[in-house]
Amino acid sequence: EAQVTQNPRYLITVTGKKLTVTCSQNMNHEYMSWYRQDPGLGLRQIYYSMNVEVTDKGDVPEGYKVSRKEKRNFPLILESPSPNQTSLYFCASSQYPGQGASEAFFGQGTRLTVV
Amino acid sequence: AQKITQTQPGMFVQEKEAVTLDCTYDTSDPSYGLFWYKQPSSGEMIFLIYQGSYDQQNATEGRYSLNFQKARKSANLVISASQLGDSAMYFCAMRGLGSGTYKYIFGTGTRLKVLA
Repeated sequence: EAQVTQNPRYLITVTGKKLTVTCSQNMNHEYMSWYRQDPGLGLRQIYYSMNVEVTDKGDVPEGYKVSRKEKRNFPLILESPSPNQTSLYFCASSQYPGQGASEAFFGQGTRLTVV
Repeated sequence: AQKITQTQPGMFVQEKEAVTLDCTYDTSDPSYGLFWYKQPSSGEMIFLIYQGSYDQQNATEGRYSLNFQKARKSANLVISASQLGDSAMYFCAMRGLGSGTYKYIFGTGTRLKVLA
Protein backbone atom coordinates (compact mmCIF):
# COMPACT_ATOMS: atom_id res chain seq x y z
CA GLU A 1 0.00 0.00 0.00
CA ALA A 2 1.33 3.42 -0.98
CA GLN A 3 1.79 5.48 2.12
CA VAL A 4 3.67 8.10 4.05
CA THR A 5 4.42 7.09 7.60
CA GLN A 6 5.14 9.56 10.37
CA ASN A 7 6.19 8.78 13.90
CA PRO A 8 5.26 9.48 16.56
CA ARG A 9 1.61 10.43 16.17
CA TYR A 10 1.53 12.28 19.45
CA LEU A 11 4.40 13.79 21.42
CA ILE A 12 4.59 15.91 24.54
CA THR A 13 8.02 17.26 25.35
CA VAL A 14 9.70 19.95 27.40
CA THR A 15 11.32 23.12 26.18
CA GLY A 16 14.84 22.60 24.92
CA LYS A 17 14.81 18.82 24.66
CA LYS A 18 15.88 17.80 21.17
CA LEU A 19 13.44 15.67 19.25
CA THR A 20 13.09 14.05 15.85
CA VAL A 21 9.90 13.27 13.96
CA THR A 22 10.47 10.58 11.37
CA CYS A 23 8.88 10.40 7.95
CA SER A 24 9.14 7.59 5.46
CA GLN A 25 7.47 7.00 2.09
CA ASN A 26 7.33 3.85 -0.02
CA MET A 27 6.43 5.39 -3.39
CA ASN A 28 9.93 6.30 -4.57
CA HIS A 29 8.91 9.95 -4.66
CA GLU A 30 11.56 12.57 -5.28
CA TYR A 31 9.81 15.42 -3.51
CA MET A 32 9.18 15.43 0.23
CA SER A 33 8.17 18.23 2.53
CA TRP A 34 7.15 19.16 6.06
CA TYR A 35 4.26 21.40 7.10
CA ARG A 36 2.85 22.71 10.29
CA GLN A 37 -0.84 23.35 10.71
CA ASP A 38 -2.09 25.96 13.14
CA PRO A 39 -5.68 27.17 13.65
CA GLY A 40 -6.52 30.04 11.35
CA LEU A 41 -3.21 29.78 9.50
CA GLY A 42 -3.73 26.69 7.38
CA LEU A 43 -0.68 24.64 6.44
CA ARG A 44 2.65 26.32 6.18
CA GLN A 45 5.63 24.66 4.57
CA ILE A 46 8.67 24.29 6.80
CA TYR A 47 11.21 22.59 4.53
CA TYR A 48 11.14 20.63 1.34
CA SER A 49 13.49 18.33 -0.50
CA MET A 50 13.73 17.78 -4.22
CA ASN A 51 15.89 14.68 -3.89
CA VAL A 52 18.60 13.06 -1.80
CA GLU A 53 20.91 15.65 -0.26
CA VAL A 54 18.83 18.50 -1.74
CA THR A 55 16.79 20.48 0.76
CA ASP A 56 15.41 24.00 0.81
CA LYS A 57 13.55 26.29 3.15
CA GLY A 58 9.83 26.74 3.04
CA ASP A 59 8.00 29.66 4.59
CA VAL A 60 8.62 28.90 8.27
CA PRO A 61 11.99 27.14 8.64
CA GLU A 62 13.20 28.84 11.82
CA GLY A 63 13.82 26.40 14.65
CA TYR A 64 13.76 23.31 12.43
CA LYS A 65 16.28 21.16 10.62
CA VAL A 66 15.86 18.41 8.08
CA SER A 67 18.03 15.91 6.28
CA ARG A 68 17.56 13.71 3.24
CA LYS A 69 20.21 11.01 3.26
CA GLU A 70 17.95 8.43 1.66
CA LYS A 71 15.18 8.93 -0.84
CA ARG A 72 12.51 7.37 1.34
CA ASN A 73 13.25 9.20 4.61
CA PHE A 74 12.92 12.85 5.54
CA PRO A 75 13.16 13.42 9.30
CA LEU A 76 12.26 16.71 10.95
CA ILE A 77 14.55 17.76 13.77
CA LEU A 78 13.80 20.29 16.49
CA GLU A 79 17.14 20.97 18.17
CA SER A 80 15.70 23.08 20.98
CA PRO A 81 11.90 23.02 20.91
CA SER A 82 9.95 25.96 22.24
CA PRO A 83 6.25 26.30 23.13
CA ASN A 84 5.55 28.23 19.91
CA GLN A 85 6.41 25.05 18.01
CA THR A 86 3.38 23.32 19.51
CA SER A 87 1.45 22.37 16.40
CA LEU A 88 0.17 19.62 14.13
CA TYR A 89 2.91 18.51 11.75
CA PHE A 90 2.50 16.79 8.42
CA CYS A 91 5.01 15.13 6.18
CA ALA A 92 4.12 14.74 2.51
CA SER A 93 5.66 13.31 -0.63
CA SER A 94 4.96 13.57 -4.32
CA GLN A 95 6.48 12.85 -7.67
CA TYR A 96 8.86 15.38 -9.14
CA PRO A 97 6.81 18.59 -8.92
CA GLY A 98 7.57 19.69 -12.45
CA GLN A 99 5.41 16.89 -13.72
CA GLY A 100 2.11 18.64 -13.27
CA ALA A 101 -0.61 16.72 -11.53
CA SER A 102 1.55 15.16 -8.85
CA GLU A 103 -0.55 15.54 -5.79
CA ALA A 104 0.99 15.30 -2.37
CA PHE A 105 0.48 12.19 -0.26
CA PHE A 106 0.33 13.11 3.39
CA GLY A 107 1.28 11.26 6.50
CA GLN A 108 -1.20 10.91 9.34
CA GLY A 109 0.19 13.88 11.20
CA THR A 110 2.13 14.36 14.43
CA ARG A 111 0.60 16.41 17.19
CA LEU A 112 3.44 18.01 19.11
CA THR A 113 3.05 19.80 22.40
CA VAL A 114 6.02 21.64 23.90
CA VAL A 115 5.61 22.62 27.54
CA ALA B 1 5.09 36.46 -3.76
CA GLN B 2 2.77 33.51 -3.97
CA LYS B 3 -0.42 33.62 -1.96
CA ILE B 4 -3.63 31.67 -1.60
CA THR B 5 -6.73 33.31 -0.15
CA GLN B 6 -9.78 31.47 1.13
CA THR B 7 -12.22 34.07 2.40
CA GLN B 8 -14.85 31.72 3.82
CA PRO B 9 -13.80 30.42 7.25
CA GLY B 10 -16.97 28.36 7.50
CA MET B 11 -19.96 27.38 5.40
CA PHE B 12 -23.17 25.43 5.75
CA VAL B 13 -24.93 23.54 3.00
CA GLN B 14 -28.02 21.41 2.97
CA GLU B 15 -27.55 17.76 2.11
CA LYS B 16 -27.95 17.05 -1.63
CA GLU B 17 -27.37 20.67 -2.60
CA ALA B 18 -24.32 22.02 -4.41
CA VAL B 19 -21.78 24.27 -2.71
CA THR B 20 -18.93 26.43 -3.97
CA LEU B 21 -15.80 27.00 -1.91
CA ASP B 22 -13.86 30.07 -2.96
CA CYS B 23 -10.14 30.26 -3.63
CA THR B 24 -8.15 33.08 -5.14
CA TYR B 25 -4.44 33.04 -5.74
CA ASP B 26 -1.56 35.25 -6.62
CA THR B 27 1.64 34.17 -8.32
CA SER B 28 4.26 35.43 -10.71
CA ASP B 29 5.03 31.94 -12.00
CA PRO B 30 4.02 31.49 -15.64
CA SER B 31 3.11 27.87 -14.97
CA TYR B 32 1.54 26.53 -11.81
CA GLY B 33 -0.76 23.91 -10.41
CA LEU B 34 -3.76 24.33 -8.18
CA PHE B 35 -4.95 21.67 -5.75
CA TRP B 36 -7.79 21.07 -3.35
CA TYR B 37 -7.46 18.87 -0.28
CA LYS B 38 -10.02 17.68 2.22
CA GLN B 39 -9.28 17.26 5.91
CA PRO B 40 -11.99 15.38 7.82
CA SER B 41 -12.21 15.57 11.59
CA SER B 42 -9.91 12.54 11.81
CA GLY B 43 -7.11 14.79 10.59
CA GLU B 44 -5.75 13.15 7.45
CA MET B 45 -5.27 15.14 4.27
CA ILE B 46 -7.05 13.79 1.20
CA PHE B 47 -6.31 14.97 -2.33
CA LEU B 48 -9.45 15.91 -4.25
CA ILE B 49 -8.67 17.60 -7.54
CA TYR B 50 -5.94 19.27 -9.59
CA GLN B 51 -5.94 22.05 -12.21
CA GLY B 52 -2.91 23.03 -14.24
CA SER B 53 -2.61 26.65 -15.28
CA TYR B 54 -2.40 25.70 -18.96
CA ASP B 55 -5.22 23.19 -18.88
CA GLN B 56 -7.92 24.28 -21.29
CA GLN B 57 -10.77 22.60 -19.50
CA ASN B 58 -11.88 22.80 -15.92
CA ALA B 59 -10.98 19.72 -13.91
CA THR B 60 -13.65 17.32 -12.68
CA GLU B 61 -13.43 14.32 -10.37
CA GLY B 62 -16.74 12.70 -9.62
CA ARG B 63 -18.81 15.16 -7.56
CA TYR B 64 -15.93 17.63 -7.44
CA SER B 65 -15.24 20.20 -10.09
CA LEU B 66 -12.85 23.10 -10.18
CA ASN B 67 -14.13 26.36 -11.59
CA PHE B 68 -10.88 27.82 -12.91
CA GLN B 69 -10.90 31.44 -14.04
CA LYS B 70 -7.34 32.32 -14.88
CA ALA B 71 -7.92 36.01 -15.59
CA ARG B 72 -9.56 36.40 -12.20
CA LYS B 73 -6.98 34.17 -10.54
CA SER B 74 -9.65 32.06 -8.95
CA ALA B 75 -9.94 28.31 -8.53
CA ASN B 76 -13.19 27.61 -6.77
CA LEU B 77 -14.17 24.08 -5.73
CA VAL B 78 -17.71 23.01 -6.53
CA ILE B 79 -19.16 20.03 -4.70
CA SER B 80 -22.37 18.77 -6.23
CA ALA B 81 -25.02 16.80 -4.34
CA SER B 82 -23.44 17.33 -0.93
CA GLN B 83 -23.30 14.40 1.46
CA LEU B 84 -22.95 14.31 5.22
CA GLY B 85 -19.50 12.84 4.74
CA ASP B 86 -18.42 16.01 2.95
CA SER B 87 -18.35 17.84 6.28
CA ALA B 88 -14.66 18.68 6.68
CA MET B 89 -12.04 21.38 6.33
CA TYR B 90 -11.09 22.13 2.73
CA PHE B 91 -7.77 23.59 1.67
CA CYS B 92 -6.82 25.20 -1.61
CA ALA B 93 -3.13 24.97 -2.50
CA MET B 94 -0.78 26.08 -5.26
CA ARG B 95 2.64 25.08 -6.48
CA GLY B 96 4.87 26.48 -9.18
CA LEU B 97 5.78 24.16 -12.05
CA GLY B 98 9.18 24.05 -13.61
CA SER B 99 10.16 27.59 -12.71
CA GLY B 100 12.48 26.65 -9.88
CA THR B 101 9.87 27.49 -7.28
CA TYR B 102 8.70 24.24 -5.78
CA LYS B 103 7.07 25.49 -2.63
CA TYR B 104 3.56 24.48 -1.82
CA ILE B 105 1.37 27.34 -0.61
CA PHE B 106 -1.86 26.56 1.22
CA GLY B 107 -4.83 28.72 2.08
CA THR B 108 -6.22 29.00 5.57
CA GLY B 109 -9.06 26.63 4.79
CA THR B 110 -12.86 26.58 4.75
CA ARG B 111 -14.79 24.45 7.21
CA LEU B 112 -17.84 22.98 5.52
CA LYS B 113 -20.76 21.58 7.47
CA VAL B 114 -23.39 19.59 5.60
CA LEU B 115 -26.81 19.67 7.24
CA ALA B 116 -29.22 16.74 7.13
